[in-house]
Amino acid sequence: DTGVSQDPRHKITKRGQNVTFRCDPISEHNRLYWYRQTLGQGPEFLTYFQNEAQLEKSRLLSDRFSAERPKGSFSTLEIQRTEQGDSAMYLCASSERGMETQYFGPGTRLLVL
Amino acid sequence: LAKTTQPISMDSYEGQEVNITCSHNNIATNDYITWYQQFPSQGPRFIIQGYKTKVTNEVASLFIPADRKSSTLSLPRVSLSDTAVYYCLVREGFQKLVFGTGTRLLVSP
Repeated sequence: DTGVSQDPRHKITKRGQNVTFRCDPISEHNRLYWYRQTLGQGPEFLTYFQNEAQLEKSRLLSDRFSAERPKGSFSTLEIQRTEQGDSAMYLCASSERGMETQYFGPGTRLLVL
Repeated sequence: LAKTTQPISMDSYEGQEVNITCSHNNIATNDYITWYQQFPSQGPRFIIQGYKTKVTNEVASLFIPADRKSSTLSLPRVSLSDTAVYYCLVREGFQKLVFGTGTRLLVSP
């Protein structure tokens, strides 16, 4: 299966700790998106990369959040000084230039205690 | 970005056809209509996308009237495994997707 992969699938951390998630997009896709989903709600956009350039960030992405895609392939999303309100499913999606369909990974479920 | 409105939930039985209607009164000329399916603890899965009239694939059909202010996702002969949340979205090009709360479809035996 060469779909979008995310690691880890689950993460439990204590409030105040830093966490980092990884997303590997479909290999030929140059666009990569991060979304966050809380229980009972649809996913909310966080940020978007085209190759290595971060082109858009949501206001949801506070200063404690940072995302990178250094080589235009995989991406990382780091949350510093986690808070209980950060508990959510973090989803990554990718799309191919010229094709608008976004393909999602399985997500990383974060629980902040 | 156009806002979408769809029913919060729907119930059906195995073997029935399910039609989920979405309204998007403020859809823009360049917007496409896209539907995703999501199972618990999984990422959304692309189902179908269209611009106007009718689109059909191996999973579903999408009906879009001439004014494009609404669309209907049609799932033929649903099974228990079609129980999921279905999201209707409109977006232009490769922009971020804006999800609503979706329609929770429950298929019973």
